Amino acid sequence: SQTIHQWPATLVQPVGSPLSLECTVEGTSNPNLYWYRQAAGRGLQLLFYSVGIGQISSEVPQNLSASRPQDRQFILSSKKLLLSDSGFYLCAWSVGQYNIQYFGAGTRLSVL
Amino acid sequence: GQQLNQSPQSMFIQEGEDVSMNCTSSSIFNTWLWYKQDPGEGPVLLIALYKAGELTSNGRLTAQFGITRKDSFLNISASIPSDVGIYFCAGRPAYNTDKLIFGTGTRLQVFP
Repeated sequence: SQTIHQWPATLVQPVGSPLSLECTVEGTSNPNLYWYRQAAGRGLQLLFYSVGIGQISSEVPQNLSASRPQDRQFILSSKKLLLSDSGFYLCAWSVGQYNIQYFGAGTRLSVL
Repeated sequence: GQQLNQSPQSMFIQEGEDVSMNCTSSSIFNTWLWYKQDPGEGPVLLIALYKAGELTSNGRLTAQFGITRKDSFLNISASIPSDVGIYFCAGRPAYNTDKLIFGTGTRLQVFP
């Protein structure tokens, strides 16, 4: 069966520090991969998605970037975090024509 | 980014009552999905709908894909305390099948 792993679960970082969040999927090949951000009590905002290795589509201009170095690995990065980058970051995967997405447990990021 | 109109925004009901929520859009969707999110966790898929007019049940949950392909509703019958959480609709738009558009969420509170 397929599983998705996100880490770390919680992260506290100072303003201006770098960021690297990692997401890996097991049990499937060539998935679509997604990064979302969720502000407290709000909906899901799509940040990036990837339909293949090295293919990244950006939805929201910001100081974040994403990379897909391997088929089942998706990384969210920043060179310098802002206070507004705080939030709950979710990774998701999908396969097949219906794009049914399955989510990881999320990373709670607090930028202080 | 685009979000679906989801209503109501929140509901406070007594255990045993039925619940109904819906999502509407100005765009046509090819797939409708309903997710539930518990605090601090990623959304979990409840029901997937694949064609206009489809009515699907999952235990006490029933969802329908609107005939116009621009709306969907979710009903929960005989609510119980563990139904508490945030419910999100999501649609796969006809103009970009690699993405999902999410609703703004319905926060459900169930009182014993």
